[in-house]
Amino acid sequence: LAKTTQPISMDSYEGQEVNITCSHNNIATNDYITWYQQFPSQGPRFIIQGYKTKVTNEVASLFIPADRKSSTLSLPRVSLSDTAVYYCLVGDFGGYQKVTFGTGTKLQVIP
Amino acid sequence: NAGVTQTPKFQVLKTGQSMTLQCAQDMNHEYMSWYRQDPGMGLRLIHYSVGAGITDQGEVPNGYNVSRSTTEDFPLRLLSAAPSQTSVYFCASSYDRAGGYTFGSGTRLTVV
Repeated sequence: LAKTTQPISMDSYEGQEVNITCSHNNIATNDYITWYQQFPSQGPRFIIQGYKTKVTNEVASLFIPADRKSSTLSLPRVSLSDTAVYYCLVGDFGGYQKVTFGTGTKLQVIP
Repeated sequence: NAGVTQTPKFQVLKTGQSMTLQCAQDMNHEYMSWYRQDPGMGLRLIHYSVGAGITDQGEVPNGYNVSRSTTEDFPLRLLSAAPSQTSVYFCASSYDRAGGYTFGSGTRLTVV
C-alpha cells in the first residue's frame, strides 16, 4: 500500500472552508483514495472515496490532481461538530484487503 | 439497524486470561477486519478476512487468533491477555476491495 503523509493537526474557525492535503507519492495505478473521519470514542466513519479528478458528496469534496500524488479533502463551512481526526488511505487492496491507517490529521474547529 | 455490532463494549481482564471479542455484520459484506487503537495513535490492523473460511494476518497479529466460519461473524480471540493488549478494538466490514469500511463502535479492553 502507498505510504501517506498528512499534517498532524489543523485549526479552523467555524464557517470556514477547511482543506486537508494528503501526500501519496508512490500511489499505484489501481489505487483508490479514501478518507475517514473519527470522533473520540467512536470508530472511523467513511467520508469519501475517489480515483481521479474531483468527487463530491453531501459531506465533502475530494480533489485529486492529474498525477495523483496527492489529494485534498475539502470540508465546506465547518462547524464545531466537525472537530475530529481525519484519515487518508490509499490502496487497491489487490486480491485481499490489508488496509492500514496512519495517525491522521486532528482538526480542531474554533468558535 | 444494519451495521457492525461489537460486544462487549467494555471488558477488564487479568493477565493470562483469555476471551473472545465478538463482531457481527448484517450487510452481507465479504471483507472484515480487526484493528486496535492505542491512545493518540492511529489504527493498526490485527487480522482480516476476505470471506468465510479465509483469514490472514495484519500488522500486529501476535497474541490474537481469528476465524471466519460465516459471512456475518468474525470473532477475535485473545489467547493469554497481557497489559500490552490494553486498547480499543474496532471491527470493520466492507462490500468491496477498494475500501468503504463500516466500523463498529469498539470494545475498550483493559488488562490488569
